[in-house]
Amino acid sequence: GQQVMQIPQYQHVQEGEDFTTYCNSSTTLSNIQWYKQRPGGHPVFLIQLVKSGEVKKQKRLTFQFGEAKKNSSLHITATQTTDVGTYFCAGGAGGTSYGKLTFGQGTILTVHP
Amino acid sequence: GAVVSQHPSWVICKSGTSVKIECRSLDFQATTMFWYRQFPKQSLMLMATSNEGSKATYEQGVEKDKFLINHASLTLSTLTVTSAHPEDSSFYICSATSGTGGDTQYFGPGTRLTVL
Repeated sequence: GQQVMQIPQYQHVQEGEDFTTYCNSSTTLSNIQWYKQRPGGHPVFLIQLVKSGEVKKQKRLTFQFGEAKKNSSLHITATQTTDVGTYFCAGGAGGTSYGKLTFGQGTILTVHP
Repeated sequence: GAVVSQHPSWVICKSGTSVKIECRSLDFQATTMFWYRQFPKQSLMLMATSNEGSKATYEQGVEKDKFLINHASLTLSTLTVTSAHPEDSSFYICSATSGTGGDTQYFGPGTRLTVL
């Protein structure tokens, strides 16, 4: 079945440093989504990427979808303490699996003030 | 918009009892709802997919007789953990998709189940 690998598992940064998490799928995806989960909370939708090579920005966050639609990345510029949490990528296979997502393992981000 | 609620937010029960968790989409009709479980510091594991009015589709390794899912309406799905045991203790999260905005999933706040 489809597998989505995410690295790194943990990332500790000083406030102001940049942060990147990477996601790689074993199969071609119809779309990829990114979610953030704060400690003790539930996943909150950040963005969806659909097109090959797509790049989207949300303030300090930059999301990329690979040309082959098998990998993606999330980059945060100048991290802040409010960025702490676990970032998950989730791949959508489309087709008969429409709506179903396969989640990566997540990257736990810690930001030291 | 796109708010999903879950009830209860936490529950403690004795081994052998059954627990029902409700998932509601508050401001949209959810054509599909998903049930996940999450262990501490781990990812979300999809348990099953439910569509209104039809039987749920369970993921491999998930016991359908133990985790009963009923999607009675376009705004409500329930997960019943039958004859719960301590190993069923976990964080259970539902999500819903309207089917009109791609397959973006909107998550409920989760239910923390502790089985003594």
